[in-house]
Amino acid sequence: GDSVTQMEGPVTLSEEAFLTINCTYTATGYPSLFWYVQYPGEGLQLLLKATKADDKGSNKGFEATYRKETTSFHLEKGSVQVSDSAVYFCALRDSGGSNYKLTFGKGTLLTVNP
Amino acid sequence: DAGVIQSPRHEVTEMGQEVTLRCKPISGHNSLFWYRQTMMRGLELLIYFNNNVPIDDSGMPEDRFSAKMPNASFSTLKIQPSEPRDSAVYFCASTSIGYNEQFFGPGTRLTVL
Repeated sequence: GDSVTQMEGPVTLSEEAFLTINCTYTATGYPSLFWYVQYPGEGLQLLLKATKADDKGSNKGFEATYRKETTSFHLEKGSVQVSDSAVYFCALRDSGGSNYKLTFGKGTLLTVNP
Repeated sequence: DAGVIQSPRHEVTEMGQEVTLRCKPISGHNSLFWYRQTMMRGLELLIYFNNNVPIDDSGMPEDRFSAKMPNASFSTLKIQPSEPRDSAVYFCASTSIGYNEQFFGPGTRLTVL
């Protein structure tokens, strides 16, 4: 079955540091890939997505590239801010049909200190 | 546009009581999902509906949990009787053809004493 593995947290960084959160996946089809962010006390929000190999999703300074050869979708940001402190979830939706089910990783807690 | 609406936002109840959580999906969306989030187990999919029909309820923990979607604009998740281990944040999400992603509500924080 489908699965998503993301790096264990928590991750603690100083402001303006470089961020990488690793995500790898297994899927039976040709999935779409997502990063969701959950700020304290809120629901999940879509951060970025990519639907085919070599696509780069980007938003709010975050980027992730769909790497089919390594089945990865690592999240990066060049300079984090305190306001980026949140839980980040990698997810996939397998291809085809009317199945809109997402498979999520366990989440990575990021804390950014001033 | 209004997003996914959940009510109540917080619920505190005593063990053995019935709890009903409510969700209004985004207008026009035809798929709806219920999730549970805890520190121990992370984010778990409980059940999802397509066109008001339950498609996969394999994540529903046990018979104490039930979910309904009587129409395209309303769904409920009921726990009867509730137990302390049901304490969690419950999220509802919706989507539709033309979208890949799901749109999440703000969640209901349930505490069972």
